[in-house]
Amino acid sequence: GAGVSQSPRYKVAKRGQDVALRCDPISGHVSLFWYQQALGQGPEFLTYFQNEAQLDKSGLPSDRFFAERPEGSVSTLKIQRTQQEDSAVYLCASRTSGAHNEQFFGPGTRLTVL
Amino acid sequence: DAKTTQPPSMDCAEGRAANLPCNHSTISGNEYVYWYRQIHSQGPQYIIHGLKNNETNEMASLIITEDRKSSTLILPHATLRDTAVYYCIVRVATGNTPLVFGKGTRLSVIA
Repeated sequence: GAGVSQSPRYKVAKRGQDVALRCDPISGHVSLFWYQQALGQGPEFLTYFQNEAQLDKSGLPSDRFFAERPEGSVSTLKIQRTQQEDSAVYLCASRTSGAHNEQFFGPGTRLTVL
Repeated sequence: DAKTTQPPSMDCAEGRAANLPCNHSTISGNEYVYWYRQIHSQGPQYIIHGLKNNETNEMASLIITEDRKSSTLILPHATLRDTAVYYCIVRVATGNTPLVFGKGTRLSVIA
């Protein structure tokens, strides 16, 4: 079946522009996570949704970052007034309910801020 | 911060076993050891997890020491497609805790 998809795969933005990154999780997956991966580093947690509820946003680096999942399926990560330090790969993952079910990751969106 | 320590890189000859070590000396009794890998330009992929017993699946084997302070991921017959960054993660079994990644081990499988 289809995995987690993300779009666009690559995004180039000028500093100060707003961007929106989309995640389509696996159908029926209740939980959705966003991670940020800087070059040469492991992914770092940004935020987590269970259905449409954003239960944890402790990893969002600033109030320029905003995520939503209004209908409990597709999620959008929005970054306002992008800065060069926002350049990274943004990964989305989803999982079913249950203690040990692994997270399934999408291919990521590589954001470059010039 | 990640609670694990892994070597930054390793090489392995194609067809040989790849043994990837991980130290997690501060692991708690209710924490599991998970392994994920990330092939270039892809998202991380789950491999295996365990609590205290050795585990095996179609991808790999996981050996956890009796004191649970370290573990080894074994790829029994490495192929070029196994070239990736391998992440060892400790976490509680509550499913919705986020994964805390370190820098992982970059495994290069050489023909």
